[in-house]
Amino acid sequence: DGGITQSPKYLFRKEGQNVTLSCEQNLNHDAMYWYRQDPGQGLRLIYYSQIVNDFQKGDIAEGYSVSREKKESFPLTVTSAQKNPTAFYLCASTGWGAGQPQHFGDGTRLSIL
Amino acid sequence: QQQVKQSPQSLIVQKGGIPIINCAYENTAFDYFPWYQQFPGKGPALLIAIRPDVSEKKEGRFTISFNKSAKQFSLHIMDSQPGDSATYFCAASQNGNEKLTFGTGTRLTIIP
Repeated sequence: DGGITQSPKYLFRKEGQNVTLSCEQNLNHDAMYWYRQDPGQGLRLIYYSQIVNDFQKGDIAEGYSVSREKKESFPLTVTSAQKNPTAFYLCASTGWGAGQPQHFGDGTRLSIL
Repeated sequence: QQQVKQSPQSLIVQKGGIPIINCAYENTAFDYFPWYQQFPGKGPALLIAIRPDVSEKKEGRFTISFNKSAKQFSLHIMDSQPGDSATYFCAASQNGNEKLTFGTGTRLTIIP
């Protein structure tokens, strides 16, 4: 079954700690995205990648980092520089061409211990 | 700068009623307007999408109305059911589906 797998579903971070959220897709999609979702604020774009070994900052990239070494994988690291990391993180992917829908994973909820 | 404004923030409708969710955008370069449905603990799923060359699009019980001159679009759900209770997001992008800008979401509750 094709889709996007995010892991873990729940993650806890200690102060000063970096944590990495996993996102894997088997849809053969070129573009992948990371969003942060907070109550009442919708989805905000953190980073996106349209091709392997290339990625761009979104609207709220500060305190986050990504890599795109493989087409199917786009991990997100929440660094200690991100002072308010508690949120629901969503990964998405889309195929090539105009009008292709973004497919989302089921998210990772990150909390601070 | 919020580029897509969505209202209302929450909405309660009786079963069979027609909830309407509205969105307004600022960027005239936007040319793709999808709606997403999200259930608790899940990622959003594409519901229906429209491009500015048409004023209305229907898929099943879901209809998008689009007003290019007013820079507004809305989602109507016909014969609403309790299973439609979810959070709905409008979004917009230019050049197809790249870099979606989302509205803030509407939590819809359909009561029996």
